[in-house]
Amino acid sequence: DAKTTQPPSMDCAEGRAANLPCNHSTISGNEYVYWYRQIHSQGPQYIIHGLKNNETNEMASLIITEDRKSSTLILPHATLRDTAVYYCIVRVHSGNTPLVFGKGTRLSVIA
Amino acid sequence: DGGITQSPKYLFRKEGQNVTLSCEQNLNHDAMYWYRQDPGQGLRLIYYSQIVNDFQKGDIAEGYSVSREKKESFPLTVTSAQKNPTAFYLCASRAAALSGGYSNQPQHFGDGTRLSIL
Repeated sequence: DAKTTQPPSMDCAEGRAANLPCNHSTISGNEYVYWYRQIHSQGPQYIIHGLKNNETNEMASLIITEDRKSSTLILPHATLRDTAVYYCIVRVHSGNTPLVFGKGTRLSVIA
Repeated sequence: DGGITQSPKYLFRKEGQNVTLSCEQNLNHDAMYWYRQDPGQGLRLIYYSQIVNDFQKGDIAEGYSVSREKKESFPLTVTSAQKNPTAFYLCASRAAALSGGYSNQPQHFGDGTRLSIL
């Protein structure tokens, strides 16, 4: 699976959009981009995933660049409960091979 | 509600003791996984199982053992051979790959078991 690069930490004001970047310059054509988050002392929570088109659900939006070498997770109106570590993972979609987690980005939402 | 249940939430082990962590899922998922997380670190894969009665080692399998006798259960035993077992242990599951081996379904996680050595 391709490696990803994320900033170690970010701050965001409550009520503003949080934009979390992820670089995956070696991504292959059959690899999806997944985003998870982990609130302190809990299991990771699935947020969203995509292949090449932008995706949106009730939690977030995922913007993938045309060359697929980077992506951005957008939380449109961040709240204090969005404070967590966010993981960007790229993964081949065949089979049941496990997700490989890096260190992620620690997002702090500030009142 | 469907989900993954890990028990207990907190567990203490004496030196030289084996201890078993429970993971049960009612999502009808074929694949199940065990990860370990140390403070300030990402998750590292211990073992995973794609189907009943089959499992594979992950990156840090030494000192651990698993079994997969039932689809819904994937217990992890931390043996006395694991010299630094204090960590947060997370279990996950995932819907099976479709025929032909393609699936983009996400992994779902339990709430973890925190293991400490007395």
